[in-house]
Amino acid sequence: QQQVKQSPQSLIVQKGGISIINCAYENTAFDYFPWYQQFPGKGPALLIAIRPDVSEKKEGRFTISFNKSAKQFSLHIMDSQPGDSATYFCAASPGQGGKLIFGQGTELSVKP
Amino acid sequence: ETGVTQSPTHLIKTRGQQVTLRCSSQSGHNTVSWYQQALGQGPQFIFQYYREEENGRGNFPPRFSGLQFPNYSSELNVNALELDDSALYLCASSLVTYNEQFFGPGTRLTVL
Repeated sequence: QQQVKQSPQSLIVQKGGISIINCAYENTAFDYFPWYQQFPGKGPALLIAIRPDVSEKKEGRFTISFNKSAKQFSLHIMDSQPGDSATYFCAASPGQGGKLIFGQGTELSVKP
Repeated sequence: ETGVTQSPTHLIKTRGQQVTLRCSSQSGHNTVSWYQQALGQGPQFIFQYYREEENGRGNFPPRFSGLQFPNYSSELNVNALELDDSALYLCASSLVTYNEQFFGPGTRLTVL
């Protein structure tokens, strides 16, 4: 049973554009929602995270939007750059220090 | 501050063999989680260790086992290797009271 569904599977964006990746979850016990960035041959790197008590969190060019009632959250990358080309994973976790349940990933390609 | 390190980087084994993977947690972190990432998929939670005890386990058979040492480093052992065990094995460290998990570069295991 896939508890976190991520879309799209792949995304091509022009340099300077906005990249948007969406995730939906099922388990209402989830209370921590991070996004990870992974380059080929590397481990995932924590990008930004949010908890359900806020609807939006922004760090630099990266913004998470969270809709608790719809059980959805999304990552927006503003002014996308070729260096942002990577695979992005959303995840969810139930409780403090709990396991991360990952989405299937989105392969982002930013064209110059 | 030292990040999460893993060894070895790559490993090739044959079906039926046993393998041990190692992880050193980030300085100050007391919890280690292990994940399996198949090609083109999101990481799947194997188990977590805190205070040298297993603190949660995913849907993996008992031939996947682990250890955590007093210095918080950890080992993942896999017995009776199967072809489907070929994957990137990721270690993540964290503080038990916080959700943020920081990943190492992973060990690429190939089972022939």
